Amino acid sequence: GAGVSQSPSNKVTEKGKDVELRCDPISGHTALYWYRQSLGQGLEFLIYFQGNSAPDKSGLPSDRFSAERTGGSVSTLTIQRTQQEDSAVYLCASSYDRSNTEAFFGQGTRLTVV
Amino acid sequence: GEDVEQSLFLSVREGDSSVINCTYTDSSSTYLYWYKQEPGAGLQLLTYIFSNMDMKQDQRLTVLLNKKDKHLSLRIADTQTGDSAIYFCAESINFNKFYFGSGTKLNVKP
Repeated sequence: GAGVSQSPSNKVTEKGKDVELRCDPISGHTALYWYRQSLGQGLEFLIYFQGNSAPDKSGLPSDRFSAERTGGSVSTLTIQRTQQEDSAVYLCASSYDRSNTEAFFGQGTRLTVV
Repeated sequence: GEDVEQSLFLSVREGDSSVINCTYTDSSSTYLYWYKQEPGAGLQLLTYIFSNMDMKQDQRLTVLLNKKDKHLSLRIADTQTGDSAIYFCAESINFNKFYFGSGTKLNVKP
């Protein structure tokens, strides 16, 4: 499709398990962002990619969180040993390049840790 | 860190104007944005304004920026029930990341 695609749209996992969230940005977009939105909270920045490199990882909340981007396209956000406080909607966005004014968001992955 | 604040709720009658307000703290913001999130959907970019502008109008939407007070507002004229959604204010600094407010839930009563 033409937009940012995220999968799965919903994920329920048991506490302690690892999960992988996928983001497929708009074709040709070199900048990719991960955010999360917890219930009742605003969006929280997690990590930013320019191409395959991540110049800004400052938002990752703990070392259980990691992300990679291969081929300058698809990105995977991995959460190890999930905790209940990881429950949130994880949003991915992409923009044409670092200086582009517009970022386009996917519909998010709703993660529930039980 | 950067702080973007919005009021949580706004309720208006259909046909009235809605004004959603936002304040931010970082004066080095380059662009300021308004996003709309409808239930079950992702964020949709509504409009943005460059920090050296005071106003931007786009059909029913008017964005006002008071850089001195670090205050941004979104006015929706002739509000419709389809405008019911959560509206997020965001700022971009050096294009590395976006900082979002917690969102204003707009409820439009028929």
